[in-house]
Amino acid sequence: EDQVTQSPEALRLQEGESSSLNCSYTVSGLRGLFWYRQDPGKGPEFLFTLYSAGEEKEKERLKATLTKKESFLHITAPKPEDSATYLCAVQAAQGGSEKLVFGKGTKLTVNP
Amino acid sequence: NAGVMQNPRHLVRRRGQEARLRCSPVKGHSHVYWYRQLPEEGLKFMVYLQKENIIDESGMPKERFSAEFPKEGPSILRIQQVVRGDSAAYFCASSPYVFGELFFGEGSRLTVL
Repeated sequence: EDQVTQSPEALRLQEGESSSLNCSYTVSGLRGLFWYRQDPGKGPEFLFTLYSAGEEKEKERLKATLTKKESFLHITAPKPEDSATYLCAVQAAQGGSEKLVFGKGTKLTVNP
Repeated sequence: NAGVMQNPRHLVRRRGQEARLRCSPVKGHSHVYWYRQLPEEGLKFMVYLQKENIIDESGMPKERFSAEFPKEGPSILRIQQVVRGDSAAYFCASSPYVFGELFFGEGSRLTVL
């Protein structure tokens, strides 16, 4: 069974204090790994897709990286508006497994 | 371009009533997914549909829950005889392809009294 584990569950940072969120996964053939951001009372907002080990993607203060067993979401010099829950999900390559399997998320709070 | 539209955004039902949640995918998207989210929990897959077909319902409770995506009109998630444990946020997502990122709606929040 495909599984996704995110750590830490919650993270508090001061504005400008860089850090990383972890997403460990087990999947029978990775089709893609996805990062989403979710604000309270809202739906998840797509951030990145990573397809193969070694791949990196960046968007403003966020950078996502991928290895064969885990992904990291690096946040550089965060601002209070980066506060949100960050969700990681995997999609298996084999047919019949098109669904995304999500982790429980990391709740990030950035204090001014 | 309109994103995924869900309604109602909030729904209150008494135990034993029926709840119907509607989802209009992004125009041109033929793949629809329903997820459920409980407080402090992640998104749990319920069902994956294409037009007029249920492709994967492995996450859907076998009783009281059903879903459809008709040829015309929105996708519907129907919960019969609701119980308090059905209280949750229900999210719909759509995609233009079999594989790839999903685009989520803002969710429907069901409260069962």
